[in-house]
Amino acid sequence: DVKVTQSSRYLVKRTGEKVFLECVQDMDHENMFWYRQDPGLGLRLIYFSYDVKMKEKGDIPEGYSVSREKKERFSLILESASTNQTSMYLCASTISSEAYNEQFFGPGTRLTVL
Amino acid sequence: GQNIDQPTEMTATEGAIVQINCTYQTSGFNGLFWYQQHAGEAPTFLSYNVLDGLEEKGRFSSFLSRSKGYSYLLLKELQMKDSASYLCAVLDSNYQLIWGAGTKLIIKP
Repeated sequence: DVKVTQSSRYLVKRTGEKVFLECVQDMDHENMFWYRQDPGLGLRLIYFSYDVKMKEKGDIPEGYSVSREKKERFSLILESASTNQTSMYLCASTISSEAYNEQFFGPGTRLTVL
Repeated sequence: GQNIDQPTEMTATEGAIVQINCTYQTSGFNGLFWYQQHAGEAPTFLSYNVLDGLEEKGRFSSFLSRSKGYSYLLLKELQMKDSASYLCAVLDSNYQLIWGAGTKLIIKP
């Protein structure tokens, strides 16, 4: 059974704090993604990675950074959390970026920044 | 710009049929996906269309017309567990997924 796990389901942080969201997949997928999901908006891509130590900016990378030191793990970092980063964060992985590529999602982390 | 449009919310009755539409304008096209997302859960894959026509998978079918930039998801014999949001997403020329905002489907007994 394929699995993508995220470190927390719910997280409450204060403005200015550094926040780490971790994602782990056990499918040996090369590609991993971080999205945020807000009411009335589609999933918006923050960053993605096609390989270890590689990262690419998505549509809304400002205020975020990522780390991929191992193939199975992709971390999202909020250097200094702000209230407008309150959102649901979803991690996903796929086998390939060019073929038909079903994305497998983690359960999500609902982050609240006070 | 790139755009995916789908209705915000739909209501249907248990046992009935519902069609959820999705129109898109994207830079290139490499396929269209439908995902289901129950409240508070992760999206899960339902279907993928890259050629025109209808793909049937049990109670769910998905249709694509590339010339019209249009797709629909058809759900038959609706069950209460089908209450969820349905997300349409298009794979563009750069193989990036462009997501619609989702359609919340409410099933009434």
